[in-house]
Amino acid sequence: GAGVSQTPSNKVTEKGKYVELRCDPISGHTALYWYRQSLGQGPEFLIYFQGTGAADDSGLPNDRFFAVRPEGSVSTLKIQRTERGDSAVYLCASSLNGVRETQYFGPGTRLLVL
Amino acid sequence: AQSVTQLGSHVSVSEGALVLLRCNYSSSVPPYLFWYVQYPNQGLQLLLKYTSAATLVKGINGFEAEFKKSETSFHLTKPSAHMSDAAEYFCAVSAEGTPLVFGKGTRLSVIA
Repeated sequence: GAGVSQTPSNKVTEKGKYVELRCDPISGHTALYWYRQSLGQGPEFLIYFQGTGAADDSGLPNDRFFAVRPEGSVSTLKIQRTERGDSAVYLCASSLNGVRETQYFGPGTRLLVL
Repeated sequence: AQSVTQLGSHVSVSEGALVLLRCNYSSSVPPYLFWYVQYPNQGLQLLLKYTSAATLVKGINGFEAEFKKSETSFHLTKPSAHMSDAAEYFCAVSAEGTPLVFGKGTRLSVIA
């Protein structure tokens, strides 16, 4: 079946603008994760959804970052008042149930804040 | 809290040579351990995972890793490198109810 998809694949924006990044998980996967990968670094956890609710949002760096998953499937990561330091690849992953199961990753959205 | 240290940001091997990528973890509870591979412009793909069953774990593409509790290590090996193995490799740890914590990655180059 289809894997995890993310749109857009690339996003260029100006400092101070608002952006939305979308993730479509594998059908039937109840758990969804967002990570951020900066250049030369491993992925860094941002937030984890179990169904519609955020089970763990401890990785969100500040209140400019917000994510939703209203119907328990597609998720949107929202970044307000973007800063140049937000430039990174944002990865989405899904797993069938919980955190100890295999996570399947999407190709990522490369965000560049000018 | 969990953490992962990958020794060597870049490893270079000749085609046909042994591949050894090092990973040490820190966890206050029994961990689950993972190795992921990332090819250029692609998402991360799971190579193998340790979930407290057999300590020697076999994965895809001929890779395997051995969990050594006494050394807090989970090194990734492959007997004979192929050109197609050139990629970025990430070790990750998870404990009960916690999301994955990744290392910084090791870039593997394979020389013909």
